[in-house]
Amino acid sequence: KQEVTQIPAALSVPEGENLVLNCSFTDSAIYNLQWFRQDPGKGLTSLLLIQSSQREQTSGRLNASLDKSSGRSTLYIAASQPGDSATYLCAVSGNQAGTALIFGKGTTLSVSS
Amino acid sequence: GAVVSQHPSRVICKSGTSVKIECRSLDFQATTMFWYRQFPKKSLMLMATSNEGSKATYEQGVEKDKFLINHASLTLSTLTVTSAHPEDSSFYICSAPGTTKGTYEQYFGPGTRLTVT
Repeated sequence: KQEVTQIPAALSVPEGENLVLNCSFTDSAIYNLQWFRQDPGKGLTSLLLIQSSQREQTSGRLNASLDKSSGRSTLYIAASQPGDSATYLCAVSGNQAGTALIFGKGTTLSVSS
Repeated sequence: GAVVSQHPSRVICKSGTSVKIECRSLDFQATTMFWYRQFPKKSLMLMATSNEGSKATYEQGVEKDKFLINHASLTLSTLTVTSAHPEDSSFYICSAPGTTKGTYEQYFGPGTRLTVT
């Protein structure tokens, strides 16, 4: 059974720092991996999607990498801002297209000004 | 981009009543949709897979008679919480895989917060 682990569970940084959020998964047979942001009491905002054949994806100050064989992904946030404060969730699909996502417990990020 | 809507966004009901939550894919068709629930300060847990034209597939530990799922069309899935109890209070969220670009990215609805009093 797939298990997704995110480290650290919580992170506090001053504004401007670059930071890395880690995600690991036990079964490397995935179709894709998605990173989401969730603000308190809100739904999910999709940040990045990485296909199993890809190594990384970038969007603005965000860069996500994927090492499928080792079951690891990282989300790099450059020049963090207070508005980045949220919970970041990593989720992996099954090994077939269109299958459900299995989520990690998330990393709660707090960026202070 | 693909959009998934959910209705209602918030609902408060009394213990023992039933509540229906709708999940719609607005600009694409979805033969499969997924239902998740999230307890406060916890992650999302997959409840069931909703299949258009056939029975839903429930995850282990999810009561299918309590959480009724109907996938009535290629754009609509409903989750009915029957005989709701306070422990059913949670954030329910649905998703559907988009097939454009071949990525099968999961698109999530905004969620429904259920409070059972």
